[in-house]
Amino acid sequence: SAVISQKPSRDICQRGTSLTIQCQVDSQVTMMFWYRQQPGQSLTLIATANQGSEATYESGFVIDKFPISRPNLTFSTLTVSNMSPEDSSIYLCSVDPADRGNYGYTFGSGTRLTVV
Amino acid sequence: KQEVTQIPAALSVPEGENLVLNCSFTDSAIYNLQWFRQDPGKGLTSLLLIQSSQREQTSGRLNASLDKSSGRSTLYIAASQPGDSATYLCAVRNLFQGGSEKLVFGKGTKLTVNP
Repeated sequence: SAVISQKPSRDICQRGTSLTIQCQVDSQVTMMFWYRQQPGQSLTLIATANQGSEATYESGFVIDKFPISRPNLTFSTLTVSNMSPEDSSIYLCSVDPADRGNYGYTFGSGTRLTVV
Repeated sequence: KQEVTQIPAALSVPEGENLVLNCSFTDSAIYNLQWFRQDPGKGLTSLLLIQSSQREQTSGRLNASLDKSSGRSTLYIAASQPGDSATYLCAVRNLFQGGSEKLVFGKGTKLTVNP
């Protein structure tokens, strides 16, 4: 399966600022997914990022708050903008297994964000 | 809308015990189902993937079953060890119109194995 390097692993940020999270995959993949996991909750999909097109956002998530870049087939970034304490969560990227056969989704190690 | 439920929410067992974690889903038209392990504050580690055409998958002390028609999956852990302590997440993959695919997750079962 694919190997994903995600960074930073954790950060503590001031409210009103922005944080950009990076994910690098060791192989080319068509789709990358960004998830949020709020404290005590399960994972919720934020958006799907395809190379060369705008990301597709799930209900409740907007581009102004969570802009995503996908400049090539191995890299993506998620920015959490104008942060508030409610944005404190673990953010994870994941890759689409269809590029590698049916091996299941692979996830990055996560970014633990605390907004103060 | 697909919904995934995991029971129990938390489970504490003594070391060496065999245990079963349950997952149910409302829409049986799934592509596959995946079990993950998550350690506190960390990312997800894939444990087992079951395709919709399969009934079970095994990896070491882990065995996952799938009954698609009834919307249920179980994860069986044999001879549990303290290192198995983690949150176990069940996720189903549906295919939607337009080719958009995503995983729908349950809230997880937090397992504690006591020495």
